[in-house]
Amino acid sequence: EAQVTQNPRYLITVTGKKLTVTCSQNMNHEYMSWYRQDPGLGLRQIYYSMNVEVTDKGDVPEGYKVSRKEKRNFPLILESPSPNQTSLYFCASSERDSYGYTFGSGTRLTVV
Amino acid sequence: AQSVTQLGSHVSVSEGALVLLRCNYSSSVPPYLFWYVQYPNQGLQLLLKYTTGATLVKGINGFEAEFKKSETSFHLTKPSAHMSDAAEYFCAVRKSGGYNKLIFGAGTRLAVHP
Repeated sequence: EAQVTQNPRYLITVTGKKLTVTCSQNMNHEYMSWYRQDPGLGLRQIYYSMNVEVTDKGDVPEGYKVSRKEKRNFPLILESPSPNQTSLYFCASSERDSYGYTFGSGTRLTVV
Repeated sequence: AQSVTQLGSHVSVSEGALVLLRCNYSSSVPPYLFWYVQYPNQGLQLLLKYTTGATLVKGINGFEAEFKKSETSFHLTKPSAHMSDAAEYFCAVRKSGGYNKLIFGAGTRLAVHP
């Protein structure tokens, strides 16, 4: 089944403790993105990647890092999480610019 | 800068009634436009998209949307609402100058009552 898989689905952590949210897609898509969803704000892009080793900042990149060493994986790294990063995070992938994204099921992160 | 405005954060309709969810966008270039649906505790699912060609696009689950350049709108409609349509709907526009960067509206939560 074609899908984007994120792990974990739920995560509670403490301020300052580094964490990684994994994302993997099995569709051989070139484009991948990370979004965060907050009530009343819709989804905002954190980072995106056009291919292996090619990444760029989205609209809200502060406090996040990404890497794209393999085509299928696009992990999101929070080096020092803070409470304002409490949110619902989505990874997504796309074959082409005009195709629209396929989204993962989301990771609900709480930073206390 | 591109932006997307969804009028009405909450819309409530009766089962069998017309569904109309409004989306207006701003874009300095011909846009790619998308509608996504999010069911509770799930990711977003692509409903339909407009890239080029026919301005009336049909999507899944009986939804359709019409691209109106003069009105900078891309409203989503369905002739007859079903209880299973209750969800949150997001309109999005591809951001110019960046590959596959989508800008989303704030979302509209659709409630369907018997």
